[in-house]
Amino acid sequence: LAKTTQPISMDSYEGQEVNITCSHNNIATNDYITWYQQFPSQGPRFIIQGYKTKVTNEVASLFIPADRKSSTLSLPRVSLSDTAVYYCLVGDMRGSASKIIFGSGTRLSIRP
Amino acid sequence: ETGVTQSPTHLIKTRGQQVTLRCSSQSGHNTVSWYQQALGQGPQFIFQYYREEENGRGNFPPRFSGLQFPNYSSELNVNALELDDSALYLCASSPRTGQDIQYFGAGTRLSVL
Repeated sequence: LAKTTQPISMDSYEGQEVNITCSHNNIATNDYITWYQQFPSQGPRFIIQGYKTKVTNEVASLFIPADRKSSTLSLPRVSLSDTAVYYCLVGDMRGSASKIIFGSGTRLSIRP
Repeated sequence: ETGVTQSPTHLIKTRGQQVTLRCSSQSGHNTVSWYQQALGQGPQFIFQYYREEENGRGNFPPRFSGLQFPNYSSELNVNALELDDSALYLCASSPRTGQDIQYFGAGTRLSVL
């Protein structure tokens, strides 16, 4: 089971780039890395998913080093509305559903 | 907007009662997962259903049970409610089984008194 470790909280300011790192030392060969964002009283929302190197979409970038033992979610030019909890999940997309594990996440606070 | 709807949005029950929560999946999704999220914690996986069959279960007692219907909507049933069952219950649908990208509803807030 690939356990993930993230910082409990982070603070930043509007317009800054924010990087949240997730450690997953025992990631398996078939595991993908997925990040979700959650606002209070809402369900998590998919942000980005990747397997190796770099993935970019309209919202964020995901950097994965060659050993895949960690990953970094990068949010460019954050705004107040990016204040949320961010979760990193690691697992095989076709693997057992019982291995779905959300950690405690990273609480990101953006200040004006 | 994920296309996943849950009802009711809020619910208050007393200890020992039974509760049924409902979820309507996003169109075209044949897999639904249920999660329990206590205040300040990440979602905890309860179970997943694929084409009306249970496809994986987390560390929850048998009094947590579920159903998935032919139209892929789903129910979560909890019997003999305990105070610790107070939480936000989330439903998520996905187009495939396992740990595919999931689309979450806004959840049902259950309070057990």
